[in-house]
This record gives sequence, C-alpha cells and structure tokens, in this order.
Amino acid sequence: QVHLVESGGGVVQPGRSLRLSCATSGFTFNIYALHWVRQAPGKGLESMTGISDDGSQTYYSDSVKGRFTISRDNSKNTVFLQMDSLTNEDTAVYFCATGRYFYGSGIDHWGQGTLVTVSS
Amino acid sequence: DIQMTQSPSSLSVSVGDRVIITCRASQDINNYLNWYQQRPGKAPKLLIYDASTLETGVPSRFSGSGSGTDFTLTISSLQPEDIGTYFCLEYDNVPITFGQGTRLEIK
Repeated sequence: QVHLVESGGGVVQPGRSLRLSCATSGFTFNIYALHWVRQAPGKGLESMTGISDDGSQTYYSDSVKGRFTISRDNSKNTVFLQMDSLTNEDTAVYFCATGRYFYGSGIDHWGQGTLVTVSS
Repeated sequence: DIQMTQSPSSLSVSVGDRVIITCRASQDINNYLNWYQQRPGKAPKLLIYDASTLETGVPSRFSGSGSGTDFTLTISSLQPEDIGTYFCLEYDNVPITFGQGTRLEIK
C-alpha cells in the first residue's frame, strides 16, 4: 500500500525558512515523479512544484519560483521542499503527491498534508 | 500555462440528485484530466483518470466524459457520503493545473 507522510510543518515568521520532508513507502520510488501541492485555508489546490523520477527535471509555479526548491533522495525514498523568504500568503496545508510520469501523468496518491503557518 | 475553469463553484443538492460538474481548459489537453473528491480535512481522492476511466474501487455512479477542452464529471444519484469538494486536474504539461473546485452541500 502506498504511503506518503509529510513532516516539518509548523509556525514560522515572515521572511524565515522551513524545510518539509515527505517519506514514502509501498511503491517503486525512483520511477515516479513527485509533486508538492498546497491548499490555503478555505481555498482550492495549487500545484507549486514537481520533480522527475531521476531529479533532472523540475517545474515551479510563478508564486514560488525563486523561493522554493524541490529535491529528492532516491536512496531514502524521500522528497523535500525547501521554502525560503516565506510570506503570510504561503500559509497552507502542504501535500506531497505521486504521479507515474513527469509529463502526461496526473496525481494518483496523496499524503495527508502538513500545515505551515506564516505569522509574526 | 494552461488555465482550468471549473463550474459551478458550489451546488446545493439532495440525495438522489444527478450532479454535473464541468471543467474547461484554455487549450486542448489531450484528455489528460483527472477528477478528485476531497472531504473536509482530508487529502483528495482520485475518482476518474484520463478523463473517463473510473479508478479502482470508486462507485459506478461516478463517471467522466469529454475531450479536447471540455470535460464533465457526473454523479448519477448522489449519496450522503458524496458530500465534499470536487476538483479537476489537467496534466497535459507542467505545471499541472487544478480547477477551482466545486463544493457540494446537502439541501
């Protein structure tokens, strides 16, 4: 059974950094693309960033480009999200999610999410 | 980037109703579209992939249709457990893009 477990969320001041992790199991990690999707309180889903199976390709939404960095460790079946220069608008639940391919594949499994609150 | 326009944003429905939710893409997305259900406080759950294929274990009252730019999710007879928010997702290219969501409420 596929499991994705996010960690690293919490309360952080504006301008500071936070690093999220997503530990996975139950599937062949190194042949799947990974995504980070967030959901602000009472809002819809935003796909912020994704990474290909070998880490060679990434994408970022305009709202996080230059501030957030996605990476993965295929030896540990884990994906990371480094978030710098956080603002109040980054307050959201952050989900990691899997897709079979970087291109032409939707999201098939989701973690339960971790809450990030940016507040002074 | 592709834009997804989902409608309606909310629906007040009764058990047994037929429910139709639509998503329109800003360009042809080659049927690369999924539908998800999200219950409050939970992660989304995949219902339909590749526009019309039912995910294993999803009740047959859910169906997806459409092609090119216009897609529909239909619930043939709404059940109480279907209450929640529904999202479409296009994955024709990156970044992948979600619709704004449709919230179903019981009348």
